[in-house]
This record gives sequence, structure tokens and C-alpha cells, in this order.
Amino acid sequence: GENVEQHPSTLSVQEGDSAVIKCTYSDSASNYFPWYKQELGKRPQLIIDIRSNVGEKKDQRIAVTLNKTAKHFSLHITETQPEDSAVYFCAARYNTGNQFYFGTGTSLTVIP
Amino acid sequence: GAVVSQHPSWVICKSGTSVKIECRSLDFQATTMFWYRQFPKQSLMLMATSNEGSKATYEQGVEKDKFLINHASLTLSTLTVTSAHPEDSSFYICSARDAGRPSSYEQYFGPGTRLTVT
Repeated sequence: GENVEQHPSTLSVQEGDSAVIKCTYSDSASNYFPWYKQELGKRPQLIIDIRSNVGEKKDQRIAVTLNKTAKHFSLHITETQPEDSAVYFCAARYNTGNQFYFGTGTSLTVIP
Repeated sequence: GAVVSQHPSWVICKSGTSVKIECRSLDFQATTMFWYRQFPKQSLMLMATSNEGSKATYEQGVEKDKFLINHASLTLSTLTVTSAHPEDSSFYICSARDAGRPSSYEQYFGPGTRLTVT
């Protein structure tokens, strides 16, 4: 399988500041990297994703960057708002069987 | 579109009993579904890959005789936790891939089932 590491485990930012969460993966064959936001007791919600043939993708305040050589990818949230407070998970798709392996999660708190 | 449901949303059972959790794709067909377990304040851990019409593939360390998976139709996968014990108490989440979109890697997640074993 795949091994995905995620940092930091907790992150507090002031409203309006940017937040960056980083993940690394182990299998160079992994080719799809989604990011999820999960609120307590709820299902994970896809917020952005990137395929391995792309280096960067942006959707309004959210962006993801991918460095295939270094096997790491990052989530960038700009102009953070209190409603961005949640747990964020990265994941990597294992190319052979379509499985997703998740990072350990980052609890983001946006302070008003 | 692409809605996945789970039933029940929560269940309490006694130690030693079995409990079945259903995962349904409501508006698409899913030849592949996945089962995850999430302990409090932890990540989603993949338990197994459920394949329609064939045996499930279990991740290393997951007991296949304890967590029985059946994927008998293109819209339904079930997870049965047999002889449940308190340490099996967790949040179980399923996901599904849309068989009609083979080039999409996206998985659609169910709302989860909270299992408490007393």
C-alpha cells in the first residue's frame, strides 16, 4: 500500500491569513491526490484534487501544489474564514487498485 | 448526483453479537466500494476494497473473518462485524466509485455509521 504523512497536526491562524498543510507520499506510482474537509461526525467532503500530470490547481481561495519528484503535495487556503475551521485530510490514490490512503489529518482553527 | 447512503447511521450492540452495515450508491452503479474505519480524532483507515461479484480485498492487519464484506449488486455493499467487542466501536465509512465514469478517480463517501459495542 501507500504511506501518507501529513503536517501539521494542528494549525491556528487569524482570520484573513493563509493556511498551508503539507503531505508526503511513498509510492511514486500514486497518481491522484484529493483533499478533504471533515466536520465532526460527518462524511469527508472533497474540496480540491490534483492528478499527477498537473503541478498546481486553484479553485477560488483553495489551491493545491504537487511536486512529483519530491513526492509531496500541499493545500493552500488564502483569506481564511471561521467557517474554514475543520479537520483536513490529504489522500493518495494507489494506482494499482484505486485505493485511497489518507494522511493523519490537520485540525485547522481560524480565529475571528 | 453521486449520492452514497449508509444504514444504520448509528447502532449500539452487545459484546459478542454481530452487526451489519449497508452502503448504497443511490444514483449510480458502483463495481468498487471501499470500507474505512475512523477512531475518534484519527484518520480514515482503509479496511477493505469491495468488488461486485467477487471477494473483497482486505488491507494488512484486517481480519477478513471478523469483518465480512458482501458486494452482491452494483449498488449495495454490506459490512458485517462479527462477534463485536468494545474495541470495534468506531465510525465506519464507505465510499464508492462511479462505474459509469471510469476515467474519474473520485470516490463518493457515505455519511458514516457510528458503532458502539457495550
